[in-house]
Amino acid sequence: GENVEQHPSTLSVQEGDSAVIKCTYSDSASNYFPWYKQELGKRPQLIIDIRSNVGEKKDQRIAVTLNKTAKHFSLHITETQPEDSAVYFCAASRVRLDDKIIFGKGTRLHILP
Amino acid sequence: GAVVSQHPSWVICKSGTSVKIECRSLDFQATTMFWYRQFPKQSLMLMATSNEGSKATYEQGVEKDKFLINHASLTLSTLTVTSAHPEDSSFYICSARFYGGGSEAFFGQGTRLTVV
Repeated sequence: GENVEQHPSTLSVQEGDSAVIKCTYSDSASNYFPWYKQELGKRPQLIIDIRSNVGEKKDQRIAVTLNKTAKHFSLHITETQPEDSAVYFCAASRVRLDDKIIFGKGTRLHILP
Repeated sequence: GAVVSQHPSWVICKSGTSVKIECRSLDFQATTMFWYRQFPKQSLMLMATSNEGSKATYEQGVEKDKFLINHASLTLSTLTVTSAHPEDSSFYICSARFYGGGSEAFFGQGTRLTVV
């Protein structure tokens, strides 16, 4: 079945530095790749997503890159701030409404003062 | 954005009893809803896909007789944890996607189940 690998599991960066989280997926039919931020006890919050017809997408300090050939996608957060501290999940799916979204294991991001 | 609402937000039940969790799409129709379980410090694990008017599709390793799913209308799916045990204590979250919502999945606020 579909599998999404995510690395690292924990990441600590100095405030103001950049953070990068990497994921790989197994199902070549996947064409939708969302990234979520989750705070303790709350629902996942979509922070950015990308479809397979695009190689890169940016929204202010957050960017995602996709390499379809390598089945690899990454989240980049620049100029990190304390409020960026959270757990981040990558995921993969198809764009069909009845297609399930499979999550990576998550990355706990710590922004150090 | 679209709203998915879960009820209850938290519940404590005695071992051996059953608990029902509701997932409602408040401003859109959802022919398909998804149920996830999340243990502390772990990821969201898909349990099953709920299909309106038909049987749910369960992921490998999920007991369908223990986790009963009913999707009787286009706006409501329910998950019933039967004969709950302490190891069923977890955070349960539902999600749905809809036409006009792009590819985005909308999540309920989750239900914290504690079995004592």
